[in-house]
Amino acid sequence: DVVLTQTPPTLSATIGQSVSISCRSSQSLLHSNGNTYLHWLLQRPGQSPQLLIYLVSRLESGVPNRFSGSGSGTDFTLKISGVEAEDLGVYYCVQGTHAPWTFGGGTKLELK
Amino acid sequence: QVQLQQSGAELAKPGTSVKLSCKASGYTFTSYYIYWVKQRPGQGLEWIGYIYPGNGGTYYSEKFKGKATFTADTSSSTAYMLLGSLTPEDSAYYFCARGALDGSYAPDYWGQGVMVTVSS
Repeated sequence: DVVLTQTPPTLSATIGQSVSISCRSSQSLLHSNGNTYLHWLLQRPGQSPQLLIYLVSRLESGVPNRFSGSGSGTDFTLKISGVEAEDLGVYYCVQGTHAPWTFGGGTKLELK
Repeated sequence: QVQLQQSGAELAKPGTSVKLSCKASGYTFTSYYIYWVKQRPGQGLEWIGYIYPGNGGTYYSEKFKGKATFTADTSSSTAYMLLGSLTPEDSAYYFCARGALDGSYAPDYWGQGVMVTVSS
């Protein structure tokens, strides 16, 4: 199975600070069809996960544009440009290029 | 609006089974994948597999073969997951999610989750 390694495991930020989360894959996530099935989720405390970014860099409808995704192959990054209080929670990368789908271990974003 | 409504919390004894439901509304049930995801309290997410209600096709992560069984009732737009031979390691939250139709298959809508507790 593909292993997704997220760093850092915990991130402390102040409101307005810009932060980045890394997701590294044990295998290239470029599918033979040209798509890279790497997505980012946010799980707020006590809630279900929600989709933020799909296919590496596409912003899900309704998600603020302070969120952005980038990367290719095995290295991916989620950036939050100006953290807001509602952004606190655990961020997960998830890959669907190789079956079975796998999730990163999560990055907990908390207030400093 | 798209909604996935999951059934209520379950308390089950070791060795028994539970059947979880995920009722979809607000979209064409047969056109989208339904994924199932496990999350033990305080832990990360684990993908169990999927069902495609359009043709009943299923895929199970190797770890969950023999443990989980997916079905779908198109008449009620409801997906089910049967968890059998329960052990305390099956105690967790279970989420259903919809796979997007735009070619990304990303999990774009999620149910609220259901807690399964396995205890004698």
